[in-house]
Amino acid sequence: KQEVTQIPAALSVPEGENLVLNCSFTDSAIYNLQWFRQDPGKGLTSLLLIQSSQREQTSGRLNASLDKSSGRSTLYIAASQPGDSATYLCAVRRGNTGTASKLTFGTGTRLQVTL
Amino acid sequence: GAVVSQHPSWVICKSGTSVKIECRSLDFQATTMFWYRQFPKQSLMLMATSNEGSKATYEQGVEKDKFLINHASLTLSTLTVTSAHPEDSSFYICSASGPQRPQHFGDGTRLSIL
Repeated sequence: KQEVTQIPAALSVPEGENLVLNCSFTDSAIYNLQWFRQDPGKGLTSLLLIQSSQREQTSGRLNASLDKSSGRSTLYIAASQPGDSATYLCAVRRGNTGTASKLTFGTGTRLQVTL
Repeated sequence: GAVVSQHPSWVICKSGTSVKIECRSLDFQATTMFWYRQFPKQSLMLMATSNEGSKATYEQGVEKDKFLINHASLTLSTLTVTSAHPEDSSFYICSASGPQRPQHFGDGTRLSIL
């Protein structure tokens, strides 16, 4: 059974700092890995999706890396802003159709960026 | 704009009643829909996977008679919480995917059972 863990569970940083969120998964046979953002009481916003054959993806101030063989991914946020405050979730997918395409979510990292 | 619409966003009801939550894909055919449950400050736990026109596949520990899922069309799936009790209070989120389309998530439904 796939298990996804995120470290740290919570993080508070001053505005402007660069930070790294970590995600690890126990079964390396994944199809892809996705990072999401969730604001309190809201749904999910997809940030980055990395296919199993890829090493990293970038979008603006966000960079996600994937080391499939070691079961790890990191989300790097550059020059953090108060608006980045949210819970960040990573999730892995075993396949791309039917039940195999279900996402297994990590435990999340609650980020607070202070002024 | 949103590609998956979930309704209602918030519902409060008495213990013993049944509650229906709708999940609609707005601009694509959702061959597969997923229903997740999220407790406060916890991650999302998959409840069931539904493919259009067939019975849903429930995750271990999820009561299929308690959480009825219908996916009768390519744009609509419903989750009915039958005879709801306070322990069913949670945040329920659906997602939808289709051919060559990644999963898109609804905004969630906060269910409070009194």
